Amino acid sequence: GAGVSQSPSNKVTEKGKDVELRCDPISGHTALYWYRQRLGQGLEFLIYFQGNSAPDKSGLPSDRFSAERTGESVSTLTIQRTQQEDSAVYLCASSLKPMNTEAFFGQGTRLTVV
Amino acid sequence: GENVEQHPSTLSVQEGDSAVIKCTYSDSASNYFPWYKQELGKRPQLIIDIRSNVGEKKDQRIAVTLNKTAKHFSLHITETQPEDSAVYFCAANRNQAGTALIFGKGTTLSVSS
Repeated sequence: GAGVSQSPSNKVTEKGKDVELRCDPISGHTALYWYRQRLGQGLEFLIYFQGNSAPDKSGLPSDRFSAERTGESVSTLTIQRTQQEDSAVYLCASSLKPMNTEAFFGQGTRLTVV
Repeated sequence: GENVEQHPSTLSVQEGDSAVIKCTYSDSASNYFPWYKQELGKRPQLIIDIRSNVGEKKDQRIAVTLNKTAKHFSLHITETQPEDSAVYFCAANRNQAGTALIFGKGTTLSVSS
């Protein structure tokens, strides 16, 4: 596609339910990032994928969070047993190479846990 | 790991004035420093970036300077316009295998006419 695509754009879920967020990166981009942005806050790094290398999971806030990526394409971020503090915009970004190149962001998924 | 500090958190200027946002980083191996602009309700977009082999880069009204010794870099916007109002984020890469971009907490710039 022309840009990074995320779905759904909005998700409202009940506390305790699991949610799955999807990211389609720009074709050919080997690097993929997930960030969390709480209302009025900065971009909190969650996880980074680079090709077939082991992902950098150092930003995941708890074991309720996990992410997968199939090769160099789609990635899914899963949050289990959602809590109210998980409410945020989840942004995905991709870049052509792992370092020194522009990261293009998707429009984000706004997650609201009620 | 990499830690990026950004100041100020908010900045208000009059149209036509200059604005300066400063960031420091902790990982001396970092070599890529982008700046992103995020307008309300929109995704962050790259406005300028600098690599560690360069001390300064300019693009029209926007410039970025890098001091590797002090581990800080700054964004300079001259002749500010109301449409420059947004949140600006600096970032630095962690120069390791499987590197990631680590962002500062952002600066909300307000340009009044």
